[in-house]
Amino acid sequence: DAGVIQSPRHEVTEMGQEVTLRCKPISGHNSLFWYRQTMMRGLELLIYFNNNVPIDDSGMPEDRFSAKMPNASFSTLKIQPSEPRDSAVYFCASSLTMSYTFGSGTRLTVV
Amino acid sequence: RKEVEQDPGPFNVPEGATVAFNCTYSNSASQSFFWYRQDCRKEPKLLMSVYSSGNEDGRFTAQLNRASQYISLLIRDSKLSDSATYLCAVTDSSYKLIFGSGTRLLVRP
Repeated sequence: DAGVIQSPRHEVTEMGQEVTLRCKPISGHNSLFWYRQTMMRGLELLIYFNNNVPIDDSGMPEDRFSAKMPNASFSTLKIQPSEPRDSAVYFCASSLTMSYTFGSGTRLTVV
Repeated sequence: RKEVEQDPGPFNVPEGATVAFNCTYSNSASQSFFWYRQDCRKEPKLLMSVYSSGNEDGRFTAQLNRASQYISLLIRDSKLSDSATYLCAVTDSSYKLIFGSGTRLLVRP
């Protein structure tokens, strides 16, 4: 199994632009999580899905952030418009019961 | 108050030392407990799950105290390769995985 696959690995964009991060979970995993990691705030849970349905989005910072999971093998996290304070590493993780696996992350820089 | 709290460190110890990390959680309904290791610029990786009876994996021992809502990780005979950030994590009944901010460990020769 290739594990959780995230793309792109790195993204540099200008303030105000739309950014879309992508995630392919491990086949057979029924839950998917989006996290954001910064030095100041650590690893924060943004949103998670169970069987493709958003369960808890209370961690999404504001309306500029949105996430979708159109099917069991794909999810996106979109930021529109992006701001410099969105610069962080964004991790996707998938799980089946108590087994959680993280992707390699997307390092986002908004200038 | 954060749901999961850890001492950020860093802990700077010599090779061969024993080092202990602590973590507290605020949700008494938390059900599952974990220690993750994160190397610089890498993703978190599961180190070990933590069970009520305590569990050991080689040089690593994890303990859970539900009454005090406290988790610990003990590393014996530390190696240079143990240098990393150690994150504790807990889940509730919905399997939502919440992390502490991590404790950084530096093992020096």
